[in-house]
Amino acid sequence: NAGVTQTPKFRVLKTGQSMTLLCAQDMNHEYMYWYRQDPGMGLRLIHYSVGEGTTAKGEVPDGYNVSRLKKQNFLLGLESAAPSQTSVYFCASSYFGTDTQYFGPGTRLTVL
Amino acid sequence: AQSVTQPDIHITVSEGASLELRCNYSYGATPYLFWYVQSPGQGLQLLLKYFSGDTLVQGIKGFEAEFKRSQSSFNLRKPSVHWSDAAEYFCAVGFNFGNEKLTFGTGTRLTIIP
Repeated sequence: NAGVTQTPKFRVLKTGQSMTLLCAQDMNHEYMYWYRQDPGMGLRLIHYSVGEGTTAKGEVPDGYNVSRLKKQNFLLGLESAAPSQTSVYFCASSYFGTDTQYFGPGTRLTVL
Repeated sequence: AQSVTQPDIHITVSEGASLELRCNYSYGATPYLFWYVQSPGQGLQLLLKYFSGDTLVQGIKGFEAEFKRSQSSFNLRKPSVHWSDAAEYFCAVGFNFGNEKLTFGTGTRLTIIP
């Protein structure tokens, strides 16, 4: 089992560019999450999904979009990147909402 | 509103000393409780969790945590820390079975001095 994987591991963007982060899990989990982690601010939930074809807003959704076309994949998109989106992004998955979340290794994104 | 508080932003302990990291939550019923550890440059790894039953929970790497309903706390402990325990520790709480997400504390950074 690979668990939760994230692609890419690192990325540098210029302001205004777009990109998609991919999260994949092989545990057949229904729930998937995208967080961002910034120094001193802990983890902040961006968007999440409670099953294939569903998405919902988290705490800090502005500037991001997500899609869950397949149960095992959860994509996070930045349509027009801004320096404020420089962060480390983590994906996580779980069987249900209050169950253990399993985290990916993270994607370090820098927006210049 | 439901919330999770980790009062200590940064703790420094000597190698071999005991450790206690604090976690408090605000919620009326019994929540689902978790402790995660994040080593530098890594994702979060589950240390232990409490859903029900014995209020003293054993986890990996020699950690334990105790749920105290009267204090709304779930403090993490280790009798003797090792240099490899230097990391950031997050408490997380699930409020209500059927809720869609966990609430994470802001984390406590642990530094170990020789």
